[in-house]
Amino acid sequence: GQQLNQSPQSMFIQEGEDVSMNCTSSSIFNTWLWYKQDPGEGPVLLIALYKAGELTSNGRLTAQFGITRKDSFLNISASIPSDVGIYFCAVINAGNMLTFGGGTRLMVKP
Amino acid sequence: DAGVTQSPTHLIKTRGQHVTLRCSPISGHKSVSWYQQVLGQGPQFIFQYYEKEERGRGNFPDRFSARQFPNYSSELNVNALLLGDSALYLCASSTLGQGQRDYGYTFGSGTRLTVV
Repeated sequence: GQQLNQSPQSMFIQEGEDVSMNCTSSSIFNTWLWYKQDPGEGPVLLIALYKAGELTSNGRLTAQFGITRKDSFLNISASIPSDVGIYFCAVINAGNMLTFGGGTRLMVKP
Repeated sequence: DAGVTQSPTHLIKTRGQHVTLRCSPISGHKSVSWYQQVLGQGPQFIFQYYEKEERGRGNFPDRFSARQFPNYSSELNVNALLLGDSALYLCASSTLGQGQRDYGYTFGSGTRLTVV
């Protein structure tokens, strides 16, 4: 079935550093989404990408929809402790259902 | 405005029992989807409903069923519970099918099901 490969699986960073994570697929998708999930909560949508090549920002977050429509990346600039959590990429497939990547667990050293 | 609300927040069941989880979508959203999230993994799609009709089903056994009511709320039922059904069950509502080009999925906080 469809699979999204998300990397890295986890990372420790120093507060103030920039973070980058990415997601790849063997299939083409027309919508890429990035979610963050805090412990005990559901995923919260951070950024939605609808056009190949699109670069979208949301505060310190920037995400890009790859030109091939098979990948996307998310950057977080100047990380702070509240950035801790699990970040998921997701795509909307032909059946209008979400397929999620395995997640990137972000841990920040204060 | 209330977001997606799910109940209960936590519950513990014994193997072989039945469970019903409930979800109320955001006001004005007509589509509800259910996802299962096992610890350490991303959410996996179970069902999608729109206007009380099933529009999609993931790779889950027939022990899993769902329905959507006229007020667009939804129930997820799981029969003959197994230990492996222990997970966070997430409900998401969206404006899918309502003519908007860009429809987002908003998730509730989930129901944490533990099967012992």
